[in-house]
Amino acid sequence: DADVTQTPRNRITKTGKRIMLECSQTKGHDRMYWYRQDPGLGLRLIYYSFDVKDINKGEISDGYSVSRQAQAKFSLSLESAIPNQTALYFCATRGGENEKLFFGSGTQLSVL
Amino acid sequence: QKEVEQNSGPLSVPEGAIASLNCTYSDRGSQSFFWYRQYSGKSPELIMSIYSNGDKEDGRFTAQLNKASQYVSLLIRDSQPSDSATYLCAVPGRNSGYALNFGKGTSLLVTP
Repeated sequence: DADVTQTPRNRITKTGKRIMLECSQTKGHDRMYWYRQDPGLGLRLIYYSFDVKDINKGEISDGYSVSRQAQAKFSLSLESAIPNQTALYFCATRGGENEKLFFGSGTQLSVL
Repeated sequence: QKEVEQNSGPLSVPEGAIASLNCTYSDRGSQSFFWYRQYSGKSPELIMSIYSNGDKEDGRFTAQLNKASQYVSLLIRDSQPSDSATYLCAVPGRNSGYALNFGKGTSLLVTP
């Protein structure tokens, strides 16, 4: 089983819909992240969390919200999706030797 | 100025040649540096980390760090077609709780 699991893998939705992307991890790491990737723009940080009560905005948090339901779960919500939120979304955890970043498989979101 | 800069490429090298990928960063106080490889549609995977000035070798990969010049590079010896991917440079950001800031990535194509 994957250490960092994202659901769904793919999602197509319409403008104005509320969407939740889920992430769970079995690595026991406290730090969790949500990144967004657009072609040619690399990975950009949306939100990050150091523990259940410590959640912080990243570079591009506008239009997004998050919930850290437990150490192992970190969800990303789009309250009212818009087409320019079409992107590949990655959840990641960090910890262990050399503070490595471990990625989930990604969620491809398309907003029509 | 973006915190982590890379040439987007594509960088094309023949099979068996040395591929050289470059990255510059803006925070002079940065202490750790990471190279990730990402195949199209897949999640990034860590291939090298480096913390001290000089070279660090791991198989066909060599990371080079020059803190005075704020420059980190990745050399791939005996390049193989399977090395064709996007290579992402990442540096922890002091303004984001040391979450990794990624460059836009360099696309590498190794031709048979």
